[in-house]
Amino acid sequence: SAVISQKPSRDICQRGTSLTIQCQVDSQVTMMFWYRQQPGQSLTLIATANQGSEATYESGFVIDKFPISRPNLTFSTLTVSNMSPEDSSIYLCSVVWGGGDEQYFGPGTRLTVT
Amino acid sequence: QKEVEQNSGPLSVPEGAIASLNCTYSDRVSQSFFWYRQYSGKSPELIMSIYSNGDKEDGRFTAQLNKASQYVSLLIRDSQPSDSATYLCAVRKGGGADGLTFGKGTHLIIQP
Repeated sequence: SAVISQKPSRDICQRGTSLTIQCQVDSQVTMMFWYRQQPGQSLTLIATANQGSEATYESGFVIDKFPISRPNLTFSTLTVSNMSPEDSSIYLCSVVWGGGDEQYFGPGTRLTVT
Repeated sequence: QKEVEQNSGPLSVPEGAIASLNCTYSDRVSQSFFWYRQYSGKSPELIMSIYSNGDKEDGRFTAQLNKASQYVSLLIRDSQPSDSATYLCAVRKGGGADGLTFGKGTHLIIQP
């Protein structure tokens, strides 16, 4: 199975600033996704990170707030822009690789906005 | 109506017994179903996937799917204290290119 890493693992940021979260996989994957898990809640899909093209966002999430890049088959970034305390969450990337369709999650980035 | 519903619990089960976790979903076109385990402070870990009606067994875990009733369950046999976690049911409408819709999870406690 692939090894998925995320950077940073946690951060505390001031409102109004932006944070870029990286997701790195040690082998090529077919699909990459970004999820958010707010405190005490379940996971919500933010977007599908498409390699070489614009991400596909879910209802309620917009590119200006959550710009996503995926320059190749092993790496993606999610930026949380102009942060407010409501953005305090765990942000997780997930991947699908090989011929399967199961999603595997990275360790997550715990973000606190003050 | 929520898309994926689970009883939040906590569900308390004695060690060695069978833990039964249930999930219902609202969208009839859903094709794929997954159970994840999430320990406190950790990311979700895939336990099982199921795609067709019936039972699927993997070790101590059995997933059951009934598309007519829009119902998915997970049975854990010989429950161990290490099984204590939140269990997330996830549903996917289409193929592997689609994201997952998660339930809120059931908090399972295995009592020694």
